[in-house]
Amino acid sequence: DGGITQSPKYLFRKEGQNVTLSCEQNLNHDAMYWYRQDPGQGLRLIYYSQIVNDFQKGDIAEGYSVSREKKESFPLTVTSAQKNPTAFYLCASSLPDLNYGYTFGSGTRLTVV
Amino acid sequence: KQEVTQIPAALSVPEGENLVLNCSFTDSAIYNLQWFRQDPGKGLTSLLLIQSSQREQTSGRLNASLDKSSGRSTLYIAASQPGDSATYLCAVPGGGNKLTFGTGTQLKVEL
Repeated sequence: DGGITQSPKYLFRKEGQNVTLSCEQNLNHDAMYWYRQDPGQGLRLIYYSQIVNDFQKGDIAEGYSVSREKKESFPLTVTSAQKNPTAFYLCASSLPDLNYGYTFGSGTRLTVV
Repeated sequence: KQEVTQIPAALSVPEGENLVLNCSFTDSAIYNLQWFRQDPGKGLTSLLLIQSSQREQTSGRLNASLDKSSGRSTLYIAASQPGDSATYLCAVPGGGNKLTFGTGTQLKVEL
């Protein structure tokens, strides 16, 4: 079955560490996105990529970095510069024309310890 | 800038009741509108996608309508069940195909 796989499901980060969240899709979608979700707040866009080797900052990109070396993969690194990284992170993908909407992964919950 | 609002923020109903969730958006020049369901601690599951040229979409007990001119969409759930308890989110695409989300309606269906 086609879909988006996010790993790990739970991730714990120590102060000052960088951590990388994985997102892989087998839907042959060109566009991929990373969102952050905090309790009581809507989803906020971190980064998005519409094509391999290209990506753009979203609304809250500070303290995060991404790469898009393969169509299937869009990993997100949470750097030590992100002062409040504890949140639920969601990866999504879509076709360029959005005719079929977005497909989301199951999420990664990141906690700073 | 597109803004999406969902009312009510929370809703509790007895099992079997028909209910309506509301979604409004400020920029009516939308390409489509998507309704999602989110269970606690889980990702988003797409429920219905309405293209801008459509007035409504149906899937089982769910019916979503779209009125672009008034900037509104509704999600109708018929004969609600405890398994419908979840947060429901609506979203519209903006520039660069980025989705703008509402903050959701948290639904609880009680026995």
